[in-house]
Amino acid sequence: AQSVTQLDSHVSVSEGTPVLLRCNYSSSYSPSLFWYVQHPNKGLQLLLKYTSAATLVKGINGFEAEFKKSETSFHLTKPSAHMSDAAEYFCVVSDTGRRALTFGSGTRLQVQP
Amino acid sequence: DGGITQSPKYLFRKEGQNVTLSCEQNLNHDAMYWYRQDPGQGLRLIYYSQIVNDFQKGDIAEGYSVSREKKESFPLTVTSAQKNPTAFYLCATLPAATVNTEAFFGQGTRLTVV
Repeated sequence: AQSVTQLDSHVSVSEGTPVLLRCNYSSSYSPSLFWYVQHPNKGLQLLLKYTSAATLVKGINGFEAEFKKSETSFHLTKPSAHMSDAAEYFCVVSDTGRRALTFGSGTRLQVQP
Repeated sequence: DGGITQSPKYLFRKEGQNVTLSCEQNLNHDAMYWYRQDPGQGLRLIYYSQIVNDFQKGDIAEGYSVSREKKESFPLTVTSAQKNPTAFYLCATLPAATVNTEAFFGQGTRLTVV
């Protein structure tokens, strides 16, 4: 079965500094991986997805993620944090058996002025 | 305007009552899902349906029931058997085509037991 582990439950950065949110996955075959963002009491918005076309994936709002098979990682990065980036971020793997998504426990990103 | 509509946004339930959460979509997606979100636990799959008149249990189905009589609708009933129903509930859809496609989410319903 597929699973994802988000290594940090909470990350705090200063505005204008880089963001790194870490995610490791477990899958018996080549996975589809996603990063979603959730603002308070809202639904989820897709940031980016990896589907084996390219290992470096660019998403919305300046975010990108790199798929590293040797490290089973899919970390999310952004060169310069903005106050509006403060939210909860979820790393997600697609479960091909159920055609459903398996979520990590989430990382709350705090951006300090 | 295509999308997923969840209602109500906030719902209060007394102990021992059943309540039904609505999820309607006009995206023409075949698959629909219900997730439960608790603080620090991510989202957990309750039930899912790939086609009309068919649905399967997810990881935490106990105390919940669903129906899928129409492609557009996938209501979730939280029964009195659910011991800890206070949570944020999210409905999602997927098109039929491929597992590489991202899911689309509604805005959620926050259920509180009073």
